[in-house]
Amino acid sequence: AQTVTQSQPEMSVQEAETVTLSCTYDTSENNYYLFWYKQPPSRQMILVIRQEAYKQQNATENRFSVNFQKAAKSFSLKISDSQLGDTAMYFCAFANWGKLQFGAGTQVVVTP
Amino acid sequence: DAGVIQSPRHEVTEMGQEVTLRCKPISGHDYLFWYRQTMMRGLELLIYFNNNVPIDDSGMPEDRFSAKMPNASFSTLKIQPSEPRDSAVYFCASSRSGSGLETQYFGPGTRLLVL
Repeated sequence: AQTVTQSQPEMSVQEAETVTLSCTYDTSENNYYLFWYKQPPSRQMILVIRQEAYKQQNATENRFSVNFQKAAKSFSLKISDSQLGDTAMYFCAFANWGKLQFGAGTQVVVTP
Repeated sequence: DAGVIQSPRHEVTEMGQEVTLRCKPISGHDYLFWYRQTMMRGLELLIYFNNNVPIDDSGMPEDRFSAKMPNASFSTLKIQPSEPRDSAVYFCASSRSGSGLETQYFGPGTRLLVL
């Protein structure tokens, strides 16, 4: 069974600064997909970024980028130039054949 | 395009009552997923369908829970009888395939409170 671990329950960052969220996972699979989802106070689950395990190049999406270390089974998310609207719970998720396994989440608070 | 639609958005009921949650996936998506989110257990997959057929229901907590997908555009999750511990946010999500490559798009969720 796969497990996803997010070791930071909460992180605070000032506007315009950078914050990095950590995520590690455990799997015996070789082909899989990793995602970061954002859940603002509205509780809507919003996809932030995704990474395919067979791709070595780290995914980027505007101010969001990942550092994918397959051997270390690590998948961190970097938020650059943080904005107040980035305040949310962030979930790391692992997918193999469609079934998403989520981490416990990291609450990010962006302060003025 | 409309996203995943869930109804109702909020539901308050009394213990022992039947609760039915509804979901309309994105048109053209072949996979539909039901998730539950609680403080204690986080986000957990309850069941998922492919082309209206249940594929994996190993996450369904117990016999009080049942899910159906009578057609490609509609699914229900039913709890009968409901209990206070069923209080949670229930999400429906859909994707074009189940390979993991395709992103799952989530609905806004139904917040259920069982008194």
